[in-house]
Amino acid sequence: GAGVSQSPRYKVAKRGQDVALRCDPISGHVSLFWYQQALGQGPEFLTYFQNEAQLDKSGLPSDRFFAERPEGSVSTLKIQRTQQEDSAVYLCASGLTESGSPLHFGNGTRLTVT
Amino acid sequence: GENVEQHPSTLSVQEGDSAVIKCTYSDSASNYFPWYKQELGKRPQLIIDIRSNVGEKKDQRIAVTLNKTAKHFSLHITETQPEDSAVYFCAAGLTGGGNKLTFGTGTQLKVEL
Repeated sequence: GAGVSQSPRYKVAKRGQDVALRCDPISGHVSLFWYQQALGQGPEFLTYFQNEAQLDKSGLPSDRFFAERPEGSVSTLKIQRTQQEDSAVYLCASGLTESGSPLHFGNGTRLTVT
Repeated sequence: GENVEQHPSTLSVQEGDSAVIKCTYSDSASNYFPWYKQELGKRPQLIIDIRSNVGEKKDQRIAVTLNKTAKHFSLHITETQPEDSAVYFCAAGLTGGGNKLTFGTGTQLKVEL
C-alpha cells in the first residue's frame, strides 16, 4: 500500500507567517512522530502521537509549534509566526503499533523562511 | 536524555570494499537500534535494525553488531556498490512509547568506481 505521505513537499514562508504541514500516515498505524531535520544533520524528535493522543511533545522548540491528530490518522504540524531558524525539513514517521514497530518516514516538507 | 554519536562523518571506499560505521549511545535503557539510509532529497529508509537481546544481525551484504556493555553498535556493508552511496544514520530508542528515536549526525558514504 501507500507509504507515509506529506504535503506540501516544499513551502516558502515569509518571516512572521503561519504554516501548516500535513502528514498522512500508513493506514492503521498507531504511532506517529514528527521530526525536524536541519541541513546536514540527523532528524531531531519533535512530538509523538499514539492514535489521537499526543503523549510526548518535549521536542517542540517553542510554543509557536503545535501539532494535532484529532481522529488518530492525519496529523498537522503548525508553526506560528515563523522565524528563519525554523527553516528545515519536517519529517513525519508512522509505526504499526505503540511499541517495537519500525518507523516509516515520509519524504518530508522542506520549509524555507525568508 | 539519550545522546548518540556517530563516526566517521564521511567515508570513501572503493567499489567492492567493505564499509564500517560506528555509533555510541548514552542511555543504557535503550533497546532498539535501527539504521537508516537517506539519499539526497529523499526519505530516510530503514535498512536494518537490531534489538538489545541480539548481538548481531545480518541481511545479505549488510550486518549490524551491538555491544550493550560498551554501549556501541556498528553497521557493516560488504562488497560495496555505487548505489550504496548515501547518508547513513544510526539511531537508538526504546520500543515502548512508540519507538522514539534519537539519531546520530550521519555518515556520508561514497563508493567510488
